[in-house]
Amino acid sequence: LAKTTQPISMDSYEGQEVNITCSHNNIATNDYITWYQQFPSQGPRFIIQGYKTKVTNEVASLFIPADRKSSTLSLPRVSLSDTAVYYCLVGDRGVDTGRRALTFGSGTRLQVQP
Amino acid sequence: GAGVSQSPRYKVAKRGQDVALRCDPISGHVSLFWYQQALGQGPEFLTYFQNEAQLDKSGLPSDRFFAERPEGSVSTLKIQRTQQEDSAVYLCASSDRELGEQYFGPGTRLTVT
Repeated sequence: LAKTTQPISMDSYEGQEVNITCSHNNIATNDYITWYQQFPSQGPRFIIQGYKTKVTNEVASLFIPADRKSSTLSLPRVSLSDTAVYYCLVGDRGVDTGRRALTFGSGTRLQVQP
Repeated sequence: GAGVSQSPRYKVAKRGQDVALRCDPISGHVSLFWYQQALGQGPEFLTYFQNEAQLDKSGLPSDRFFAERPEGSVSTLKIQRTQQEDSAVYLCASSDRELGEQYFGPGTRLTVT
């Protein structure tokens, strides 16, 4: 499994855009990049997943350069409720993805200030 | 309910006691996972079920840990002779074979004193 590296923590203010970058130098051809969000006292929650270029949903955008050795999760106009830990995961999203254990790192703790 | 539920939410055990943690997955989800999350760390895989079959238990830290899912729905994680290092949040997740995304429960926080 490809190892991921992301900042331990980040601080931001309400209304700002937050970009969290994850490095995954050993990503394999079949690997997808997935981000999870975890609030205190809750389990992780899927945010977004991508393979290359850009993916956008109602919560976030994911930017993946051509070499795929890194990815950036972008949260537009954060609010206090976006304070959470964000995890970057890399793994093969094949047919058996629902059967595959997820490998989490330590994540990035985002603190949003008023 | 629509989500994964776990009980109890909090459990305090004295060292040496046995504990049982319950997970109710989303109805119809074939896959069920258990993870252990230490304070300040990301979740770590413990074991995986497909229906009632335990297909992977490579993450269980010792033979004091045992998991079952006898009817392919509810699962129980049992820890025998608890030790202080077992203190953690135990997360359960389930997934639909087709969609693949794992849906996590709120976890059970185990404190061993």
